[in-house]
Amino acid sequence: DQQVKQNSPSLSVQEGRISILNCDYTNSMFDYFLWYKKYPAEGPTFLISISSIKDKNEDGRFTVFLNKSAKHLSLHIVPSQPGDSAVYFCAAPLNNNDMRFGAGTRLTVKP
Amino acid sequence: KAGVTQTPRYLIKTRGQQVTLSCSPISGHRSVSWYQQTPGQGLQFLFEYFSETQRNKGNFPGRFSGRQFSNSRSEMNVSTLELGDSALYLCASSLGFGNTIYFGEGSWLTVV
Repeated sequence: DQQVKQNSPSLSVQEGRISILNCDYTNSMFDYFLWYKKYPAEGPTFLISISSIKDKNEDGRFTVFLNKSAKHLSLHIVPSQPGDSAVYFCAAPLNNNDMRFGAGTRLTVKP
Repeated sequence: KAGVTQTPRYLIKTRGQQVTLSCSPISGHRSVSWYQQTPGQGLQFLFEYFSETQRNKGNFPGRFSGRQFSNSRSEMNVSTLELGDSALYLCASSLGFGNTIYFGEGSWLTVV
């Protein structure tokens, strides 16, 4: 039961350009969303979150947009840097800490 | 303060054996959850403990079990290992629901 979906397994962008990572969800009960970043051989690290009462949350180069009617969120990274190359997971808590994750998108930022 | 610590980091087991993985949460965190990551599957929720009680369980067979101790440390056990159990097992801790969860570096399990 994949309630959170990331349909693009990989994305490649040039350094300095914008990276847009997309995420769709099916459960309308989700009211909080998070993005995690994962480097190889490390655990995921929290990047940014958004509550369903907002449609945008910005933190430095990272902005998350939420479109509740479309059940869609996206993470924008501007400008992209080679150090941003990692796997990005979209997640939403179902209850307690049962977090539903997407399959991840591998971002490669080329110098 | 120290992050989430998982041991062992890497291990190899034979089919049919059992394995126990350990997790020490961030100090003060009472919620500990476990996830399995396999290639192409993202992170799959296993179970979550809070104050020594399992509050939630994912869609995994009964061979997967866990427990939490009074100091919030947690262990997960997988019995009768199968080749498909080969994965990265991640532990995460948080203060409680609605708070950000923080992951450990994971335990890489290979079943041969």
